[in-house]
Amino acid sequence: GQNIDQPTEMTATEGAIVQINCTYQTSGFNGLFWYQQHAGEAPTFLSYNVLDGLEEKGRFSSFLSRSKGYSYLLLKELQMKDSASYLCAVYNTDKLIFGTGTRLQVFP
Amino acid sequence: GAGVSQTPSNKVTEKGKYVELRCDPISGHTALYWYRQSLGQGPEFLIYFQGTGAADDSGLPNDRFFAVRPEGSVSTLKIQRTERGDSAVYLCASSFGGDTQYFGPGTRLTVL
Repeated sequence: GQNIDQPTEMTATEGAIVQINCTYQTSGFNGLFWYQQHAGEAPTFLSYNVLDGLEEKGRFSSFLSRSKGYSYLLLKELQMKDSASYLCAVYNTDKLIFGTGTRLQVFP
Repeated sequence: GAGVSQTPSNKVTEKGKYVELRCDPISGHTALYWYRQSLGQGPEFLIYFQGTGAADDSGLPNDRFFAVRPEGSVSTLKIQRTERGDSAVYLCASSFGGDTQYFGPGTRLTVL
């Protein structure tokens, strides 16, 4: 079966750091993606991990441990515009398998 | 260049009617994907095209759903005899080969 788990909701304060966790159990694995989705808009690409370790891109970093079936997205120096849903997705052969998404609310 | 475009942005139809949803991928992208997203859920895979052929249609929920990509660019998702449970946002994405998928704005389908 395919199972991707991430918290449903998180809250944080402007300027803070937040970590969104994702665990997965899938029949295949070719990499892990994180997408950001604002309400009523399309998912936009944030990061892609295929090997273990940390990938840093500006204020956003993503980590992968394939042996543990675990990833996290780290957002630093939070801004109000970071309020959105964050989708963890496993790339499996030819398709993305998404979790339900984590809705992040950033408060001033 | 332009991103993935989808038309219409909104579609309201009555139960039992036929609908077509269109996707125009990023120019040069060989792979095209359709996903469906219900409220509060992540996108759910429907079908994947590599060029003109459907390489994987395992996500289509039943035979009322069909998609084509006759010239390897624009794709149309067709839903026959729509049901209220088909109401969702239908997302299209494209990629160059198996690279990062870029999503369009989606078509919000409402079946009354």
